[in-house]
Amino acid sequence: QVQLVDSGGGLVKPGGSLRLSCAASGFSFGDYYMSWIRQAPGKGLEWVSYISSSSRYTNYADSVKGRFTISRDNAKNSLYLQMNSLRAEDTALYYCARGGDTLLVDYWGQGTLVTVSS
Amino acid sequence: EIVLTQSPGTLSLSPGERATLSCRASQSVSSSHLAWYQQRPGQAPRLLIYGTSSRATGIPDRFSGSGSGTDFTLTISRLEPEDFAVYYCQQYVSSPQTFGQGTKVEIK
Repeated sequence: QVQLVDSGGGLVKPGGSLRLSCAASGFSFGDYYMSWIRQAPGKGLEWVSYISSSSRYTNYADSVKGRFTISRDNAKNSLYLQMNSLRAEDTALYYCARGGDTLLVDYWGQGTLVTVSS
Repeated sequence: EIVLTQSPGTLSLSPGERATLSCRASQSVSSSHLAWYQQRPGQAPRLLIYGTSSRATGIPDRFSGSGSGTDFTLTISRLEPEDFAVYYCQQYVSSPQTFGQGTKVEIK
């Protein structure tokens, strides 16, 4: 069955960096767009970024553009999110998800919590 | 970007009752690109409905979706205890994908 396991979250100071990872299994990872979607504590869902199956296309929410970088390694069935210049408003549970852009998001990881605080 | 507005914010109902959740888009959305997700406390969202009315794998038939253009509806015909959760609509017809703010279905 499809499984997405998010990791890499933690407590980081404003201005710091963090790299999130998502390990995928149970499907042909290299055939799918992948996304990161976040949820601030007690709030709704916000799309952050997507990457195409071959890594040719990426896109970012305006709120993270220039600070976050999405990447993938199809040989390792893994998705990544490099987050730099972190701000307090980036505090959220970050979900890896299968799908993106104009494609259905159908499976989600369990989420990894990022807390930006001094 | 397409803004989705869900109503009501909270729905207080009893088990066995019918729930009707609304999602209104700021511009027309292709019916093949509207989805609904359920999020139980402490869990990741789960896909319920895609393409406005198609149930995802394993979703019971008490969940149904309908609508077109800018107005879409999720109906739960008879609420089970495990259905009390937050529900989000989402459009994926244009980038960026956007979500509604959610409707919480709580036990009355």
